[in-house]
Amino acid sequence: DVKVTQSSRYLVKRTGEKVFLECVQDMDHENMFWYRQDPGLGLRLIYFSYDVKMKEKGDIPEGYSVSREKKERFSLILESASTNQTSMYLCASSLRVGLDGYTFGSGTRLTVV
Amino acid sequence: DQQVKQNSPSLSVQEGRISILNCDYTNSMFDYFLWYKKYPAEGPTFLISISSIKDKNEDGRFTVFLNKSAKHLSLHIVPSQPGDSAVYFCAATAAGAQKLVFGQGTRLTINP
Repeated sequence: DVKVTQSSRYLVKRTGEKVFLECVQDMDHENMFWYRQDPGLGLRLIYFSYDVKMKEKGDIPEGYSVSREKKERFSLILESASTNQTSMYLCASSLRVGLDGYTFGSGTRLTVV
Repeated sequence: DQQVKQNSPSLSVQEGRISILNCDYTNSMFDYFLWYKKYPAEGPTFLISISSIKDKNEDGRFTVFLNKSAKHLSLHIVPSQPGDSAVYFCAATAAGAQKLVFGQGTRLTINP
């Protein structure tokens, strides 16, 4: 089974801090994704990557950046955390999307105070 | 532009009855449709999918129906169980596309 591991389940950070969310997958998937989930807004794509060192903006990239130095690791960076970035962050990976879709990690609940 | 829409934010069903979750889409280029289930404080898990060449796919208690002419799909859960209480997301993608497009989710509550 593919495993997608997010380094933290819960995080509390202060406004203005730089925040790193880490995600690792163990099945050699090319594609990796970062989403945030907010009530009533569903899953919104922040960034995705289809290869090492490649990244593409999703629907809501403002205030975020990403890094993919190795195939198995995809990091989400909040350059200067703000309270409106309090959310559930979900990492996912896929080989090909199609009928198989993604495998998601367990999520990181980030609270910015 | 919301290409995939789940118009019911919540649904409450009695245990043992049928749960029907609905999803509409606007992009006729979508070829694959998927349903995910999400419990609080966990990541979504894949439930069932369907290709646009089919109109029905069944897996145990879960059946997905696709009506291409109406651009509508539905997930039927029969019989509903308390463990089915979760948020359900529908998603769609085109062949060769690199990402899924998700709906807003429907919170299903199964009452004993």
